[in-house]
Amino acid sequence: GQSLEQPSEVTAVEGAIVQINCTYQTSGFYGLSWYQQHDGGAPTFLSYNALDGLEETGRFSSFLSRSDSYGYLLLQELQMKDSASYFCAVRDQDNYGQNFVFGPGTRLSVLP
Amino acid sequence: DTAVSQTPKYLVTQMGNDKSIKCEQNLGHDTMYWYKQDSKKFLKIMFSYNNKELIINETVPNRFSPKSPDKAHLNLHINSLELGDSAVYFCASSLNLPSDGYEQYFGPGTRLTVT
Repeated sequence: GQSLEQPSEVTAVEGAIVQINCTYQTSGFYGLSWYQQHDGGAPTFLSYNALDGLEETGRFSSFLSRSDSYGYLLLQELQMKDSASYFCAVRDQDNYGQNFVFGPGTRLSVLP
Repeated sequence: DTAVSQTPKYLVTQMGNDKSIKCEQNLGHDTMYWYKQDSKKFLKIMFSYNNKELIINETVPNRFSPKSPDKAHLNLHINSLELGDSAVYFCASSLNLPSDGYEQYFGPGTRLTVT
């Protein structure tokens, strides 16, 4: 089977740094993606890691450790607009690599 | 210029009815998807469609059927609607290439309510 785990909620203040963890168990693994979704909106792509290490894109960074089946999303210099749900998603070997299994999501609340 | 569009945005219908949701993408992508997001925000893939090959998530009831008249469109037909079908349905598309991180572009979603 496939399963992903994320914390259900995280709260932080403006300007702070927050890390959202994701652990996964899949029958096969190609890569880990992160998506942001504001209330009432559609998921939007943030990052994708296929290899171990840290990928940085502006204020957001994503990390992957394949040996630990673990990744995280790091958000720096938090802003109010970062309040949203964040989903990790595994791209696995099913269906010729077109299968994406999403985690349950982490709701981030940024306080003033 | 909307990249991925869906219609309708809201759909309220009664149990037992048949309905369709339309999806169009103008990104030139080869792969399109349908996702279901339930009330707890779990996002689950239902179908992916690539080069006329349909890949079905085996857990999806056969009351759901995707139809693709061309590469830019992937519609979702639902027969004999049930209360449990109430959810937000998202269409998405992607190039499905490592060069862009297999990024999926999601449509705005269709909120389906079955009464």
